[in-house]
Amino acid sequence: AAGVIQSPRHLIKEKRETATLKCYPIPRHDTVYWYQQGPGQDPQFLISFYEKMQSDKGSIPDRFSAQQFSDYHSELNMSSLELGDSALYFCASSLGLADSYNEQFFGPGTRLTVL
Amino acid sequence: AQKITQTQPGMFVQEKEAVTLDCTYDTSDPSYGLFWYKQPSSGEMIFLIYQGSYDQQNATEGRYSLNFQKARKSANLVISASQLGDSAMYFCAMREVNYGQNFVFGPGTRLSVLP
Repeated sequence: AAGVIQSPRHLIKEKRETATLKCYPIPRHDTVYWYQQGPGQDPQFLISFYEKMQSDKGSIPDRFSAQQFSDYHSELNMSSLELGDSALYFCASSLGLADSYNEQFFGPGTRLTVL
Repeated sequence: AQKITQTQPGMFVQEKEAVTLDCTYDTSDPSYGLFWYKQPSSGEMIFLIYQGSYDQQNATEGRYSLNFQKARKSANLVISASQLGDSAMYFCAMREVNYGQNFVFGPGTRLSVLP
C-alpha cells in the first residue's frame, strides 16, 4: 500500500541557508501535518493543512512557512536556518479532520542537519 | 501544562516477558483518541494501537494491548512476549477532536529487550 513520501530523506545545510522539505500524502488523504523532532525529543507539532487551507498552527517559527498544493502535497520552507533547526521533520497525512480516530500515517521523515 | 506524561524514560525487559509502559494524559475535551507509536533507531514512526475516549473495551492488536483507565486518565501500553525487535522508543500521543486535530506526544520511553 502507498505510504507518505517525504523528500529528501537527508539534508545538510549551512547556517542562514534555506531548505525546502516536501511531503506527498497517501492518495486521497486531504490533511497534512508537519512535526519537528529534535535530538532526544518528542515530536512537536508545527502546522497542518486541510483541503489546501491552513487548519492549525503549532510552534512553527516565523522563519518557516508551509503550504499545501492542489494535488495535496505539501512543502515546508525554512529560511535563515539556525543550528537549532537540526531535527527530524515528519510529515503525516490523514483523511479529513472530523474524528478522533483519523489515524495519522507518518512519513519516514527528513533528517535536516544545519552546520 | 504537560498533556501527556510518560514517567519512565527507560525500561528493560527480558525477552519473552511482558512489559507495561505508562502513559497519563490531561484533557478537558470529552472526545479524544489515544495512540501509541514505536520509533526504532531508524527514525520512522510506527503506529501500534489506538483507544478512543468512548470505547468501552480496551484495545488490543496482536501482542499489544492498551490498559485504558478513563477515570485515572491513563492509557498504559502492554507488550506481551517481548521480542528483541521491540527495542525502540515508544511514544504515547493524544488527539483532541475539539482542540486542534494534531497529535500531542509524550516524552517517550526507551524500551530495551534483553536476550
